[in-house]
Amino acid sequence: DIVMTQTPLSSPVTLGQPASISCRSSQSLVHSDGNTYLNWLQQRPGQPPRLLIYKISNRFSGVPDRFSGSGAGTDFTLKISRVEAEDVGVYYCMQTTQFPHAFGPGTKVDIK
Amino acid sequence: EVQLVQSGAEVKKPGESLKISCKGSGYSFNSFWIGWVRQMPGKGLEWMGIIYPGDSDTRYSPSFQGQVTISADKSISTAYLQWSSLKASDTAMYYCTRQQLAPDYWGQGTLVTVSS
Repeated sequence: DIVMTQTPLSSPVTLGQPASISCRSSQSLVHSDGNTYLNWLQQRPGQPPRLLIYKISNRFSGVPDRFSGSGAGTDFTLKISRVEAEDVGVYYCMQTTQFPHAFGPGTKVDIK
Repeated sequence: EVQLVQSGAEVKKPGESLKISCKGSGYSFNSFWIGWVRQMPGKGLEWMGIIYPGDSDTRYSPSFQGQVTISADKSISTAYLQWSSLKASDTAMYYCTRQQLAPDYWGQGTLVTVSS
């Protein structure tokens, strides 16, 4: 089974400053169809998770363009260009390339 | 508008059975996987398993295989997660998700509390 790891696990950030979260998978996430099904989700306090990014770098409907994803193979990054107060929460990477699907442990983003 | 509406919070005793539901609307229910995700109090997200309502193809995480049953009734656009004998450690929030390329829509969550 694929294991997902994230760094850091906690990230205090200053409003208006950038933030970056790394995600690594124990195996390549390239599917036999050529796509890489690495996703990023945000969970604000007290709310269900929300899809931000799918297939490494595609923003889901309604997601602000300050969120961007990059990477390939086993190493991926989520970047927030300028953190806003509403970005506080926990961010998870998730692979849907291979069953069983799996989440990373989560990275808590809060304001300094 | 795509919506996943989950059944309400449950309080159960250890050893009791439970079936919670997730009703999809606003899309072709048969054509998208429905996944289930556990979140224990104060913890992260855990992928439990997934079902394709069109043909009932079901996959489980090894951690949950044999512990829960995932099913779906496509005639009423509803997926289910059930336990035959609950444990205190099943206390958690459970989310259903619609999934094609990624889990794009989520239910509001069902809180299950198991306590004697």
